[in-house]
Amino acid sequence: KQEVTQIPAALSVPEGENLVLNCSFTDSAIYNLQWFRQDPGKGLTSLLLIQSSQREQTSGRLNASLDKSSGRSTLYIAASQPGDSATYLCAVRNTNAGKSTFGDGTTLTVKP
Amino acid sequence: EPEVTQTPSHQVTQMGQEVILRCVPISNHLYFYWYRQILGQKVEFLVSFYNNEISEKSEIFDDQFSVERPDGSNFTLKIRSTKLEDSAMYFCASKGTYVLQYFGPGTRLTVT
Repeated sequence: KQEVTQIPAALSVPEGENLVLNCSFTDSAIYNLQWFRQDPGKGLTSLLLIQSSQREQTSGRLNASLDKSSGRSTLYIAASQPGDSATYLCAVRNTNAGKSTFGDGTTLTVKP
Repeated sequence: EPEVTQTPSHQVTQMGQEVILRCVPISNHLYFYWYRQILGQKVEFLVSFYNNEISEKSEIFDDQFSVERPDGSNFTLKIRSTKLEDSAMYFCASKGTYVLQYFGPGTRLTVT
């Protein structure tokens, strides 16, 4: 059974800092991994998707890496801004059409 | 950009009542999913649906839940006799031939 863990549970940084969020999964036979952003009481905004054959994906100030063999992914946020404050979720799929298994999320607060 | 829509955005119901949550997946998508997120907890998979039948369901998806694609465009989740613990945000998702799973904005269900 796939299990996804995110560390830390919460993170507070001053504006402008670079930061790394971590995601680990127990079954390394994944199909892909997706990072989402969730604002309080809101839906899921997809940020980046990494296929199992890829090592990283970039979008603007975000960079996600994947090390499938060790069961880890990181989300790197450069030059953080107060608007980045949200909960960041990691989700893995073991097959193309299969379910997504989510982590608990990391709640990020960026202080002005 | 195509999107998944869900109605209503918020539903309040009394314990024991039946509710139907509605989703309009992206047209030409073939795979459909329901997830839920109890306040403060992780997003959990409920059920996946393909070719007019359930392809996978979690232990949460018991006999009080059912799904249907009644008219080729809507995808519904029915909860027959709601309990207090069914209060949660319910997310619909759909997927086509591409890898990305698109999530709707969610329906917040409050059972009183």
